[in-house]
Amino acid sequence: SAVISQKPSRDICQRGTSLTIQCQVDSQVTMMFWYRQQPGQSLTLIATANQGSEATYESGFVIDKFPISRPNLTFSTLTVSNMSPEDSSIYLCSARSGAAQDTQYFGPGTRLTVL
Amino acid sequence: EDQVTQSPEALRLQEGESSSLNCSYTVSGLRGLFWYRQDPGKGPEFLFTLYSAGEEKEKERLKATLTKKESFLHITAPKPEDSATYLCAVQDSNYQLIWGAGTKLIIKP
Repeated sequence: SAVISQKPSRDICQRGTSLTIQCQVDSQVTMMFWYRQQPGQSLTLIATANQGSEATYESGFVIDKFPISRPNLTFSTLTVSNMSPEDSSIYLCSARSGAAQDTQYFGPGTRLTVL
Repeated sequence: EDQVTQSPEALRLQEGESSSLNCSYTVSGLRGLFWYRQDPGKGPEFLFTLYSAGEEKEKERLKATLTKKESFLHITAPKPEDSATYLCAVQDSNYQLIWGAGTKLIIKP
């Protein structure tokens, strides 16, 4: 299994600003993902963070709004840019260590509130 | 279209009252079905992976089963600490996870 930590755990931000969320895994992993979870709802995949190349974004999410970095096999960042109240959500980092059908593990999440 | 449906949306049980949660799915080329537990304000915690119809897995008071169309998460003699939202996800032929909306389980002492 993989143990995943995220920073910050929560933040309250002003409209128009940006926030970068950090994700650290305790071991090298092949795949890292970023999800969004609105209150009371299930998970929505934002993008797959690719090591050494540009992230792969899902429909409805764009790089200008959610730039992602993955400089190595244990670390990734997600930036929420030019925030609006609609960006208020829980952002979750996830990782899969081995084969494609292996288990995905999740971090504790970052609760973002945009005023 | 690939889809995962969980029922019920919410379930309230008395402590010790056994029941089951359902996850029905339509997906092309099922690679695996995953159950997670999520406590409020936390990330999902992995419980089980099931890969083929007929497979069963157990962990403490939880038992997961899989058929060709659905999975059940049976909870036996639950305790208040079993209260959480239980999420089901299926992995399609492209290894993408498709998530259900979850079942919120409340166990009253």
